[in-house]
Amino acid sequence: EAGVAQSPRYKIIEKRQSVAFWCNPISGHATLYWYQQILGQGPKLLIQFQNNGVVDDSQLPKDRFSAERLKGVDSTLKIQPAKLEDSAVYLCASSLVRGKSYEQYFGPGTRLTVT
Amino acid sequence: QKEVEQNSGPLSVPEGAIASLNCTYSDRGSQSFFWYRQYSGKSPELIMSIYSNGDKEDGRFTAQLNKASQYVSLLIRDSQPSDSATYLCAVAGGYQKVTFGIGTKLQVIP
Repeated sequence: EAGVAQSPRYKIIEKRQSVAFWCNPISGHATLYWYQQILGQGPKLLIQFQNNGVVDDSQLPKDRFSAERLKGVDSTLKIQPAKLEDSAVYLCASSLVRGKSYEQYFGPGTRLTVT
Repeated sequence: QKEVEQNSGPLSVPEGAIASLNCTYSDRGSQSFFWYRQYSGKSPELIMSIYSNGDKEDGRFTAQLNKASQYVSLLIRDSQPSDSATYLCAVAGGYQKVTFGIGTKLQVIP
């Protein structure tokens, strides 16, 4: 079974530029998560999708971040314009919700550096 | 108050010893609890999940849950240098929301 795919793996941009990240979850996983992980911290949830719908985007900086999930499968996360503090690893995860279980499986992440 | 609290470490243990990692959480309605291992420069990897009070064992790993005390722990027996990593505690509450702790860095000394 293929894991969660993400691209690109690395991205360097200047502040005020825009950037987009792509995620393809594990086949059949209805729930998709985007996390931001700053060095030395735990993953911080940005947005959670259940199929096409948004379950939680309370910590997404909506003035600059946006995300969509196409046809309940792939997802893109966009930052426009980027700030220096957006430098982080952006992790995508997916889960197959069964009862109380929300076991998440992570992709390799995209390391973003904003200069 | 942080929702999921962990000591950031580092926790240093000699090879062959038992490593004990601890986590507390604030939401009494939490139902699912997870431990992830994250090697430097890599993404988190699920190693244990626990849903009921008590112990759950998987190989050298044992997860312990005490909902009354809002406490979950991970024991690693016969620690190996390859266990050196950051261990993230994650807690799932209502509406499928999963919250991660800051992670505890474990160093196993040969």
